[in-house]
Order: sequence, then structure tokens, then C-alpha cells
Amino acid sequence: DGGITQSPKYLFRKEGQNVTLSCEQNLNHDAMYWYRQDPGQGLRLIYYSQIVNDFQKGDIAEGYSVSREKKESFPLTVTSAQKNPTAFYLCASSPLAGSYNEQFFGPGTRLTVL
Amino acid sequence: GQQLNQSPQSMFIQEGEDVSMNCTSSSIFNTWLWYKQDPGEGPVLLIALYKAGELTSNGRLTAQFGITRKDSFLNISASIPSDVGIYFCAGLHFYNQGGKLIFGQGTELSVKP
Repeated sequence: DGGITQSPKYLFRKEGQNVTLSCEQNLNHDAMYWYRQDPGQGLRLIYYSQIVNDFQKGDIAEGYSVSREKKESFPLTVTSAQKNPTAFYLCASSPLAGSYNEQFFGPGTRLTVL
Repeated sequence: GQQLNQSPQSMFIQEGEDVSMNCTSSSIFNTWLWYKQDPGEGPVLLIALYKAGELTSNGRLTAQFGITRKDSFLNISASIPSDVGIYFCAGLHFYNQGGKLIFGQGTELSVKP
């Protein structure tokens, strides 16, 4: 089945620990994105990548880091510098072909920092 | 970052009623997308619009790309309980950077059986 997978679905971490969220896609999409969603709020862009080995900061990149070593993978690390890391994290991908830039989302990872 | 003005923020309707929600922007978009998000899940793409004035349907859903390129609306006809969820609009600027979407704040729909 083609799609975007995120793991795990639920993640618990102690304050001060770094944690890495996984995002994999087998849609052969060029672009990948990470969003953060807080209760009752919209989506805020953390980082995005249009091509392997390249990525750009979004609107709320502070306290996060990413890598794009493979086309199909775009892991997000939530570092201890992120002041309020508890949130729902969504990964998305897009073919980035011409004008057709629909983004398709994974199921999300809910991170709770204790 | 910029966000779209999406309204209403929430709606409480009776099963069978029609629903209408819209998004407006101060800048021009060349793509409008509508997503639905169920609790605890990722958003699912419902409808994509690419041309000003375009009207597109997907079952009971109809969406339009405003003629000014600065707005879009989504209609749901004859609502059913499974329509419950949060609906997001998203737009892509004419000169977009890396396919970055601009999202509305969402419309939370509740349907009373």
C-alpha cells in the first residue's frame, strides 16, 4: 500500500530528553513537511524539505531539527531546547510537480513530555 | 506565519442540514485545498481546486475557487453523523516557496442525529 507512515502513534518522554519522530513515505514524493498541532488550533510548519540533503526552516523551527538523507524518510528530532514540546505532530509529503502541490498527511504522533 | 481567515470556527447542526464554510485571504492563491481531520488522526484531502471560478464536487461535498483568487468555500449537503470533524482550508501562493501551504484555523463541525 502506498502512503505515509509515522511511528509511534503515542510517545512519552521525560523533560530534558531529545526524542526522534519517524516519518516514511513510499509515494515517491519529492517534498516532505513537519507540522505541529496544538489542541483546538491549526497546523504550524516546523521544517520542510524539497530534495534529499536539503531542508528549510518553517515558522516554528526553534528547538527542532531534521535530516533528509533518503527521499522516503524525514525524521524530526524534538530537542530539550523546545520549551513546550507536548503536541500532535504531523508529517506530510507532496509530489511538488508543477502546480499540483497537494500535501498528503500521515496519521500523526502524539508526543507527551512528562 | 500567515494564516487564512476561516469561518465559522464551529458549527452545531442537525443531521440532514446543509453546511457552508469559507476561507478568505489578503493575497492571491493559485491552489485551494480542503481537508477533513478526525480526532487523533491526520487530515485527509477532500477537494483540490486549481482555477479561479472552478466548482468541484466530491459526493455530497462541493467547493469553489473564488473568482478573485482570494477566497474559497466548502458546502456539505444533507449532513450525516460521520461528517463530524474539523475541516481545514489551505492555500498555495502564486509564487510559492517549496510548496508551503497556508492553513486556516479550522471549522469544527458537530452533527446531532
